[in-house]
Amino acid sequence: QVQLQQSGPGLVKPSQTLSLTCAISGDSVSSNSVAWNWIRQSPSRGLEWLGRTYYRSKWYNDYAVSVRSRITINPDTSKNQFSLQLNSVTPEDTAVYYCVRDLNWAVAWWGQGTLVTVSS
Amino acid sequence: QTVVTQEPSLTVSPGGTVTLTCASSTGAVTSGYYPNWFQQKPGQAPRPLIYSTSNKYSWTPARFSGSLLGGKAALTLSGVQPEDEAEYYCLLYYGGTWMFGGGTKLTVL
Repeated sequence: QVQLQQSGPGLVKPSQTLSLTCAISGDSVSSNSVAWNWIRQSPSRGLEWLGRTYYRSKWYNDYAVSVRSRITINPDTSKNQFSLQLNSVTPEDTAVYYCVRDLNWAVAWWGQGTLVTVSS
Repeated sequence: QTVVTQEPSLTVSPGGTVTLTCASSTGAVTSGYYPNWFQQKPGQAPRPLIYSTSNKYSWTPARFSGSLLGGKAALTLSGVQPEDEAEYYCLLYYGGTWMFGGGTKLTVL
C-alpha cells in the first residue's frame, strides 16, 4: 500500500521560495517503473501539472513550461522522499499542492495536499 | 501553447448515460496520450477513475468506462447515480509532460 505524506510550510512570502517534501512509504523513490510528480490546484488555474522526477538507470526531470524557470524537483534516496522548490513566488502560486505517484502512466496515488498561501 | 479542452458543464438525469470528452489542441488524442480521468467532489482531492484510455482501478465503479471517440478521449457514465455529481478532469501525456483539461461540471438532475 503506497502512501505519500507531504510536509512543508503553508505560508510563504512573495519573492521567496516555496519548499515541500513528499515522504514515500510502500515504494521506492528509485523505482524503475514510477515517476514522482507535483501537481497543484487553484480556483484561477485549475489543476496544473508542475513536474516530475524519475529514475531509469539515472535521474531525470521534466517540468511544465509555465514554471520551468523557477522549479526544481529533487529525489532524496537516503530518506525515500522527493521535494519541490518553486522560486520567486507570487500570489498566483497560491494553491493546494499535491505529490503524486505515476506508475506506468497511471497517475493514481496522491498525497493529502498542502494549501500554500503566498502572502506578506 | 497546448490546450486540453473539456465540456465546461453537462447535465444528466439519474439512470441516464452521459459522455464527457477530452480534446487536444495538437490534434487527435490517441492511446499514446495515456488519457487519465479523475473525479473531484468539493473539498476533496481528485479521485482517479481511469488510466491509459480505458483501464479501471479496483475502486472504479463498473458504470464508468473510458475510450477514444472521434479523435478525443472519452469518459462514459452509464446508469448515472446522484453521487456521480462532481467535477471530472482528464489528463493527457505529451511525451514527457502532462496537461490537465479544464474540467467538466456534471450535474445529475
